[in-house]
Amino acid sequence: DSGVTQTPKHLITATGQRVTLRCSPRSGDLSVYWYQQSLDQGLQFLIQYYNGEERAKGNILERFSAQQFPDLHSELNLSSLELGDSALYFCASSVNSLAGPGELFFGEGSRLTVL
Amino acid sequence: LAKTTQPISMDSYEGQEVNITCSHNNIATNDYITWYQQFPSQGPRFIIQGYKTKVTNEVASLFIPADRKSSTLSLPRVSLSDTAVYYCLVDDKVFNAGNMLTFGGGTRLMVKP
Repeated sequence: DSGVTQTPKHLITATGQRVTLRCSPRSGDLSVYWYQQSLDQGLQFLIQYYNGEERAKGNILERFSAQQFPDLHSELNLSSLELGDSALYFCASSVNSLAGPGELFFGEGSRLTVL
Repeated sequence: LAKTTQPISMDSYEGQEVNITCSHNNIATNDYITWYQQFPSQGPRFIIQGYKTKVTNEVASLFIPADRKSSTLSLPRVSLSDTAVYYCLVDDKVFNAGNMLTFGGGTRLMVKP
């Protein structure tokens, strides 16, 4: 158990719909990262938040948005869903500190299926 | 942001040592090298991290030459349960800075009986 909690684990929805994926980082971790992994593909970096602020952005579609709340949990919002958005969405957290780079702790992912 | 290149796949047999090499020709001075392991439908899991020379932990060793343009993950005496995808990434993880932490395509390791 990594300590990162993602909900829901599975989600099936239709094209054009909107969904929200939720992530609770490990206790004490200030950074949250979102990744997308389509079938048999690598991990695509979407976005990073640090202590409530957006810090880095990858190739995240305009239909997607995210935020990190004061309690440090994060939500990834996916709207106007298309078939190609079907994927595993992972959240990871880490401690960014002056001690140097740490490791990412990944959740179990949310599997989104768009029909 | 340093880009990484790894072999797409590798095969091995139980009990053998496996070495997976990652190229990162434009690694920056502040970059660390980190390896992750991913099983199907699971999130990646940290294996090892290093900056230079050699790092060893209970599951793997990481060899980094002096020029740091490549690194080699060494898995001693692999078992069937080591069948997974292995990712190499470089990261400068500066405090309070943004980190894109880009994973490359990874190396799909198949361990055979």
